[in-house]
This record gives sequence, C-alpha cells and structure tokens, in this order.
Amino acid sequence: NAGVTQTPKFRVLKTGQSMTLLCAQDMNHEYMYWYRQDPGMGLRLIHYSVGEGTTAKGEVPDGYNVSRLKKQNFLLGLESAAPSQTSVYFCASSYQEYNEQFFGPGTRLTVL
Amino acid sequence: AQKITQTQPGMFVQEKEAVTLDCTYDTSDQSYGLFWYKQPSSGEMIFLIYQGSYDEQNATEGRYSLNFQKARKSANLVISASQLGDSAMYFCAMRDPNFGNEKLTFGTGTRLTIIP
Repeated sequence: NAGVTQTPKFRVLKTGQSMTLLCAQDMNHEYMYWYRQDPGMGLRLIHYSVGEGTTAKGEVPDGYNVSRLKKQNFLLGLESAAPSQTSVYFCASSYQEYNEQFFGPGTRLTVL
Repeated sequence: AQKITQTQPGMFVQEKEAVTLDCTYDTSDQSYGLFWYKQPSSGEMIFLIYQGSYDEQNATEGRYSLNFQKARKSANLVISASQLGDSAMYFCAMRDPNFGNEKLTFGTGTRLTIIP
C-alpha cells in the first residue's frame, strides 16, 4: 500500500496564480484532511471531508477550496495565491474521526 | 478554546537515555483523545501513540509510552533507551469533541536531538 500520497512535492507560484494540490489514499478511509504547517507553529486544519462528496471548513479555510469527488482523492485549490500561503501542506486520512490520522509526505509551496 | 502546550522548544539527550517530552492540554470536555506524532527531518508526520481520556491504563507502543495524568491535564511522551533515529520534531495533538471530532489541535512541537 502506498498510504497517503501528495502531488506535487514542491511548487513555486507567483502572487495571483492558481493551483491544485492532489491527495490520494489507498486505505479506504472515510475521513480526509488538509493541514498547513508554518515555522514555529503546529499543524492547522484548513478543510476536511467526512466522506465522498462532503467537505467542511477547518480552522484556517480562507483562500482555499476543496473537493472530494472520489473517496480516495481530496483536492486542495488556491484560486489566487498570496505570499501568506507560503507553507508546507499536509494531507491526512483516517478511517473514522476517532482514529489516528495518517499523513502524506507534504507539499512545500512558495508564493512569490 | 482548546489548547495544547509544549513548553520545551528543544532538547538534547544522550543516546540510550530515557527522555520525557512534556505536553499539557486544556479542554472543558470529559471525552477527548491525545496523540503524539514524530516529524523527522524528511518532513513526514508519523503517528506514535494514542491515549483516550477514559483509558485507565497509560498507552504504550514499543519504546514509547504516554504518562497520562488526567487531573493535571498532562500527557507526556516517554521514550525509553533513546536512539539516534529518534532525533526529530515531536508534536502533541488533541481531538476535542467540542470542536468536532475531526479536528486535531497541535502543539508547537519539541525538537529532540539525540547525542551519540
């Protein structure tokens, strides 16, 4: 099993550009999450999904959109990137909300 | 609001010694869960151990154990017989039903360095 994978691993954007981060999991997990990690801070939840076709806002949702069209995939979109969105983005999944979350390797995004 | 506090930004420990990483939490609920994750320099987040608030026994997973003191609201991670590969960032996190079971709140982490 590959677990949780993220594409791409690195990306540099200019202010105002858009992009989509892809997260895929092969563990048949219901729950999927997007976090961002900034220096000196722990991870903060951006959006999450409790099942195919559902999404919900987390702690820091502004400037991001998500979609969960297929159970195994969770996409994070930035419509108009800003320098404040420079961060490392982690995707995670869990079988149920009470279980441990399994994380992907992360995507390092720089917005110039 | 729920909060996780890790007061040790960095620690240096001699190889083969035991190490305790501190974590205190704040919640108004009686039902919650506590997690520890390891983040090596490669960047991935690795789940280590879980403690439920109603679990009577302290959680253990191999060399990892969780010293859970509910009245003091602390959930310290203990690593026995430390190894060079234990050098990493360690994050304490809490699932708090008051904010939705889906949400994990993370502390700011402790950077552990094992000295040969």
